[in-house]
Amino acid sequence: NAGVTQTPKFRVLKTGQSMTLLCAQDMNHEYMYWYRQDPGMGLRLIHYSVGEGTTAKGEVPDGYNVSRLKKQNFLLGLESAAPSQTSVYFCASSRAPGLAGEGEQYFGPGTRLTVT
Amino acid sequence: AQKITQTQPGMFVQEKEAVTLDCTYDTSDPSYGLFWYKQPSSGEMIFLIYQGSYDQQNATEGRYSLNFQKARKSANLVISASQLGDSAMYFCAMNRIQGAQKLVFGQGTRLTINP
Repeated sequence: NAGVTQTPKFRVLKTGQSMTLLCAQDMNHEYMYWYRQDPGMGLRLIHYSVGEGTTAKGEVPDGYNVSRLKKQNFLLGLESAAPSQTSVYFCASSRAPGLAGEGEQYFGPGTRLTVT
Repeated sequence: AQKITQTQPGMFVQEKEAVTLDCTYDTSDPSYGLFWYKQPSSGEMIFLIYQGSYDQQNATEGRYSLNFQKARKSANLVISASQLGDSAMYFCAMNRIQGAQKLVFGQGTRLTINP
């Protein structure tokens, strides 16, 4: 049981290049999320998905696209990378919340992305 | 909109002492959840404890307890008998209970445990 895995762990891009970050979970969770963490800040939600084939915008969606073609995978794409997208990216997954809202999010190890 | 405020950028505590990390929140939602996560220097996010807004009792998980004061909109994390391994960043977060669990995080508090 690997939990939540992210590929790659590190990446350096030049401005204007594109890339896709892959998140995979083996816990059969319905919900998946992409966050970014900038220095000195907490995590901010980029996009999320409440089920296979669904996606929705979070707090900071501009410059990113996502897809959830399979329940266990959630992809984050950068079509034209900018230096402002230099950050650590975390994927998370969770089951649907209980009646009291309980249900922790399980986080992946993060991807450190640098855009020069 | 929901907002989390953590006013302590850093805290230094002697080993074996108890420590309280402050968290205040703002929301207009009638139902919400409050979370604490730990982020050690290795970078992963580790779930510590959860409190629902309708929970009558404060949540506890081993050495962690959440001091929930709804009227004051505060959700402080208390760590009893601190250990060197508790040194890390600690984030308070909240979400709406209905629908997707979109977490809103505070800026974090860096806790350092001194031997």
